[in-house]
Amino acid sequence: AQKVTQAQTEISVVEKEDVTLDCVYETRDTTYYLFWYKQPPSGELVFLIRRNSFDEQNEISGRYSWNFQKSTSSFNFTITASQVVDSAVYFCALSEANYGQNFVFGPGTRLSVLP
Amino acid sequence: DGGITQSPKYLFRKEGQNVTLSCEQNLNHDAMYWYRQDPGQGLRLIYYSQIVNDFQKGDIAEGYSVSREKKESFPLTVTSAQKNPTAFYLCASSIQGARGTDTQYFGPGTRLTVL
Repeated sequence: AQKVTQAQTEISVVEKEDVTLDCVYETRDTTYYLFWYKQPPSGELVFLIRRNSFDEQNEISGRYSWNFQKSTSSFNFTITASQVVDSAVYFCALSEANYGQNFVFGPGTRLSVLP
Repeated sequence: DGGITQSPKYLFRKEGQNVTLSCEQNLNHDAMYWYRQDPGQGLRLIYYSQIVNDFQKGDIAEGYSVSREKKESFPLTVTSAQKNPTAFYLCASSIQGARGTDTQYFGPGTRLTVL
């Protein structure tokens, strides 16, 4: 069965600090996709990244970076030099290519960036 | 602009009433989804549709109904059979639904409150 765990329920940092959000997943599939979404206070989920199970290269997009490690079944998300606008709930999600029908979302991590 | 619209943004319902939440997309996506989000929790799938005139139950379909008569539209009806309907409802769409691994893009959500 597919499962996503985000052990950090809430994180608070001071502006300009770096912060890492953890995501651990479980799957029996060899082909799967991992996603991160941001949910600001307005409520809409904003897509951030999609990675497939065959691409373990780390990815950087501006202040955002993602570390995918199949050996530990983790897909962690780091925000460098955090800003107040980064305050949101962040969701990690998993989708299996061969077994699952749809996405499985983690419970989310609420990030508060204090000025 | 291409995107997903949901209306209304806020909805109040008396107990025993059915209400319909609207979801429209102009992204030419085949698949559409409805999720429910309760405070402090992740997303749970209610219904999804991979193609016009076809839809499938998700994890928590009881008390809900949907239709997919047009590619652009996927309305959700919350019936009086839903025992605890107060929640935030999110609609999403993806290019193709058959694989279940395509990126889902979300609308702004509808917050339903039962009085």
